[in-house]
Amino acid sequence: KAGVTQTPRYLIKTRGQQVTLSCSPISGHRSVSWYQQTPGQGLQFLFEYFSETQRNKGNFPGRFSGRQFSNSRSEMNVSTLELGDSALYLCASSDSGRTDTQYFGPGTRLTVL
Amino acid sequence: AQSVTQPDIHITVSEGASLELRCNYSYGATPYLFWYVQSPGQGLQLLLKYFSGDTLVQGIKGFEAEFKRSQSSFNLRKPSVHWSDAAEYFCAVVDSGGSNYKLTFGKGTLLTVNP
Repeated sequence: KAGVTQTPRYLIKTRGQQVTLSCSPISGHRSVSWYQQTPGQGLQFLFEYFSETQRNKGNFPGRFSGRQFSNSRSEMNVSTLELGDSALYLCASSDSGRTDTQYFGPGTRLTVL
Repeated sequence: AQSVTQPDIHITVSEGASLELRCNYSYGATPYLFWYVQSPGQGLQLLLKYFSGDTLVQGIKGFEAEFKRSQSSFNLRKPSVHWSDAAEYFCAVVDSGGSNYKLTFGKGTLLTVNP
């Protein structure tokens, strides 16, 4: 099976812009989670989707949003970008969630100038 | 709230030496525990996981970890380190009850391997 894929791999934006990142889970996986990784804060949970519904949400401002499509592919959107949003954004997929192994994609490196 | 502590930010070992990376968790019940590894510019790869049962868990690449409830620890070990093991290692926990589907990670331990 193909692994988790994320596009684009690298992205450069300026402050105030918005950005959309995409994640394609492993075939058959219905849960997709998003994490933000920065040197200062480490790995932080953004949100998790299962069967097109957001099941869990981390402590991030409303500028961060996501959605999941019927084929389990997921997108996350960040509006009004700030310098502090520069990070590696990781997507992970699993069969159903909590007790299943989460498989991570390679991430999208977002740089905000 | 659950939390994970990895006390060692950076560890350096010689190739062929043994390795132990420490992980302590804070959680009321028995958590689900994981170790992931991240190479530069890459995503996270699962090394091993503990849900229940035997407290000594075997993983990929020759790694093992032992769950010790009395010490709230889940330390990762490898008897002989290879240069290719140089990477960052993350311990993580998932709530074993309720509707919490998120991984809570430690800050990571960066492993350097000297030839």
